[in-house]
Amino acid sequence: SQQGEEDPQALSIQEGENATMNCSYKTSINNLQWYRQNSGRGLVHLILIRSNEREKHSGRLRVTLDTSKKSSSLLITASRAADTASYFCATGGSEKLVFGKGTKLTVNP
Amino acid sequence: DTAVSQTPKYLVTQMGNDKSIKCEQNLGHDTMYWYKQDSKKFLKIMFSYNNKELIINETVPNRFSPKSPDKAHLNLHINSLELGDSAVYFCASSQAYSTVHFGNGTRLTVT
Repeated sequence: SQQGEEDPQALSIQEGENATMNCSYKTSINNLQWYRQNSGRGLVHLILIRSNEREKHSGRLRVTLDTSKKSSSLLITASRAADTASYFCATGGSEKLVFGKGTKLTVNP
Repeated sequence: DTAVSQTPKYLVTQMGNDKSIKCEQNLGHDTMYWYKQDSKKFLKIMFSYNNKELIINETVPNRFSPKSPDKAHLNLHINSLELGDSAVYFCASSQAYSTVHFGNGTRLTVT
């Protein structure tokens, strides 16, 4: 069954602005991952946050995890046109990753 | 260097035909997967293989038959194609259940 649900479904911002995407999940997790999918391409792993972590950074990416609310957020700071893509959260461990439906981010130059 | 490569990139065929998609990974990973992404971008696992052995089969019709000749290859054969099989199929791999690396997908269109 589907585990993650991203919100919003679509997000359009201007270059330089920050983009925040949220993910909610239903069952307990060991970790949560975020992936990016450019149009016509496969998914690329961005960041993994473990259940005992609350926040993690990687370059312009900041991920938070609130296990009490079963939610995570992905913040992209100082967005660029190249950040235009769909972003997916995934839970369940890589032996059986369960993806949400994704947030389609458009960064306008 | 391409890490996970799958062929063909596009596949257009008629209902009832049989087709195959090939996948190879050069990452030395032990685990390979097939995922299906539908028109609404929903991505769902179909199969998982670890060292050539089937680990996960997610209620996929038996018209879909994966085959792993060695741990670097996982092919997907589909018999009697149906309209509902139209989707993008992604091959992926991982090592010791760490992060998953995806191929660029095969867009299958059944007419």
